[in-house]
Amino acid sequence: NAGVTQTPKFQVLKTGQSMTLQCAQDMNHNSMYWYRQDPGMGLRLIYYSASEGTTDKGEVPNGYNVSRLNKREFSLRLESAAPSQTSVYFCASTQVGNTEAFFGQGTRLTVV
Amino acid sequence: KQEVTQIPAALSVPEGENLVLNCSFTDSAIYNLQWFRQDPGKGLTSLLLIQSSQREQTSGRLNASLDKSSGRSTLYIAASQPGDSATYLCGGRVDSNYQLIWGAGTKLIIKP
Repeated sequence: NAGVTQTPKFQVLKTGQSMTLQCAQDMNHNSMYWYRQDPGMGLRLIYYSASEGTTDKGEVPNGYNVSRLNKREFSLRLESAAPSQTSVYFCASTQVGNTEAFFGQGTRLTVV
Repeated sequence: KQEVTQIPAALSVPEGENLVLNCSFTDSAIYNLQWFRQDPGKGLTSLLLIQSSQREQTSGRLNASLDKSSGRSTLYIAASQPGDSATYLCGGRVDSNYQLIWGAGTKLIIKP
């Protein structure tokens, strides 16, 4: 049981380049989330998808787009990367209701 | 807007001590609260989940309590060990739209 899988684990981008971070879960969870983690600022919610077919903005959505491809997969796209987007990105998922959240191992992104 | 605060930001104690980590939230309308552990450069490992209807949960040397009326949760670690050194994060589901919000964490160092 893999849980939540994120790819890639590491990435270096040049300013202005685009890329998509992939997230997949195999627990049949309905809700999926994208966070960024910066030193001293904790986990900040970028976007979330409460269920397949829906997406909503979180606290820091600017510069990002998401796609809930199907129930398993939730991708995060940076259209034009900026140095301010250098961070560690985490994907998480939960089942409907008040259940336990599971996190992926993270993607360390550096924009130069 | 719901906010989750963790105090202290860092804590260093000798091995064997019992200790308490604090988590506070601004809005008592919380659905559940979860405690995670994060090791350097790694993902997040779930420790305990408390539903809003519960007062506490226990797992081994860990005990987490929830007091919605005061907007507080505490994580009690008994007989601390060097292997407990990590960053501990709290947070959870804070609204009916399934947003999950997290604190910035407490970095714990247990000295041998």
